[in-house]
Amino acid sequence: DQQVKQNSPSLSVQEGRISILNCDYTNSMFDYFLWYKKYPAEGPTFLISISSIKDKNEDGRFTVFLNKSAKHLSLHIVPSQPGDSAVYFCAASGRTSGSRLTFGEGTQLTVNP
Amino acid sequence: GAGVSQSPSNKVTEKGKDVELRCDPISGHTALYWYRQSLGQGLEFLIYFQGNSAPDKSGLPSDRFSAERTGGSVSTLTIQRTQQEDSAVYLCASTRRGLAGRRWGTDTQYFGPGTRLTVL
Repeated sequence: DQQVKQNSPSLSVQEGRISILNCDYTNSMFDYFLWYKKYPAEGPTFLISISSIKDKNEDGRFTVFLNKSAKHLSLHIVPSQPGDSAVYFCAASGRTSGSRLTFGEGTQLTVNP
Repeated sequence: GAGVSQSPSNKVTEKGKDVELRCDPISGHTALYWYRQSLGQGLEFLIYFQGNSAPDKSGLPSDRFSAERTGGSVSTLTIQRTQQEDSAVYLCASTRRGLAGRRWGTDTQYFGPGTRLTVL
């Protein structure tokens, strides 16, 4: 039962353009969502989060949007840079699941110079 | 301060042997998590420690897996009689608060670099 899904295993964009990574979830009890970035041979690094009381959170070039009715969130990176090339994981938690995170499968982002 | 550290970074073992993986969380973090990432998969929750409370073991895949957290700090994940399907990257994470003190922004989990386990 995959409660958090990232349907695109990979995404390729040009430097300077917008990258949009998508994530869908099925568990309506999830109320806190996070994006992590992972480089090869390293652990995931926290990027940005959003609680269910908001629909947008922005931090520099990174913006996360949450559409609760659609159970969908997205991460926008503008402008994309080659150093952003990594695997991006969407994760969710909810009060009934404790603080454990449920992760999506990840999306490999490649930003081409 | 120092981040989450894990050792060893790589472990190759033979099927049937026992292995121990170690995690040192960020100082002062009360909650500690173990996840694993199999090839081509997302991160899979294994076990969660919060302070002195009984751990949440609901993610452990079999009774060959166990974990301890001594003194509320260092944790070891033990896999007995390893099988080839145990091959994965095992990741540890810590956070300042767990369920007991949940507030927005404090649930962020900080991950270690992982231990890549290969069972031949």
